[in-house]
Amino acid sequence: GAVVSQHPSWVICKSGTSVKIECRSLDFQATTMFWYRQFPKQSLMLMATSNEGSKATYEQGVEKDKFLINHASLTLSTLTVTSAHPEDSSFYICSARDHQNRGGGTEAFFGQGTRLTVV
Amino acid sequence: DQQVKQNSPSLSVQEGRISILNCDYTNSMFDYFLWYKKYPAEGPTFLISISSIKDKNEDGRFTVFLNKSAKHLSLHIVPSQPGDSAVYFCAASGGYNNNDMRFGAGTRLTVKP
Repeated sequence: GAVVSQHPSWVICKSGTSVKIECRSLDFQATTMFWYRQFPKQSLMLMATSNEGSKATYEQGVEKDKFLINHASLTLSTLTVTSAHPEDSSFYICSARDHQNRGGGTEAFFGQGTRLTVV
Repeated sequence: DQQVKQNSPSLSVQEGRISILNCDYTNSMFDYFLWYKKYPAEGPTFLISISSIKDKNEDGRFTVFLNKSAKHLSLHIVPSQPGDSAVYFCAASGGYNNNDMRFGAGTRLTVKP
């Protein structure tokens, strides 16, 4: 299937600093990418939908000024956690859909996730 | 607003037996359903999907059943293998925003040898 690469896989940062997470579709173009957050033993929570060349669409309750999303090209979306706090510590996962149905359907392909720990 | 629900947080099955994971949804606009398998600290891996025009889709040991009237779908794994032990997420798409995907809370499947 299609490959989505997410980097870094883990990061530890100090409270008050910003962290950037990259999500790349390696072998297909993704006009839309999604960012999820997973708390321990909980489901994947959709944070925002990232649209290439336009502003991201944020889910209710997600602070757009805190979680900055940029989708500069058809293969790259970034999530920047600004002024991180310990409560932002979580597992962040990106996904992209191959709209050319390379996978035979419209399933989303996921990155490997980023474990963010804010100390 | 939980539009996709997996009411069983865990399931334990003996190797060789059938595993049945259940999922319910509330949004009648959903028209595409997927199952993902997830290991700790990794992104989900796509397993199998079904369109709302079908009621069954089979792929090897995995079969997904869809009951639209009951807004219910299930994943059957037979025979279950120890390597199937993981968290399984049910997902649905095709709602108001046709692009996004909503996930259930997940069911942790343990297959005992």
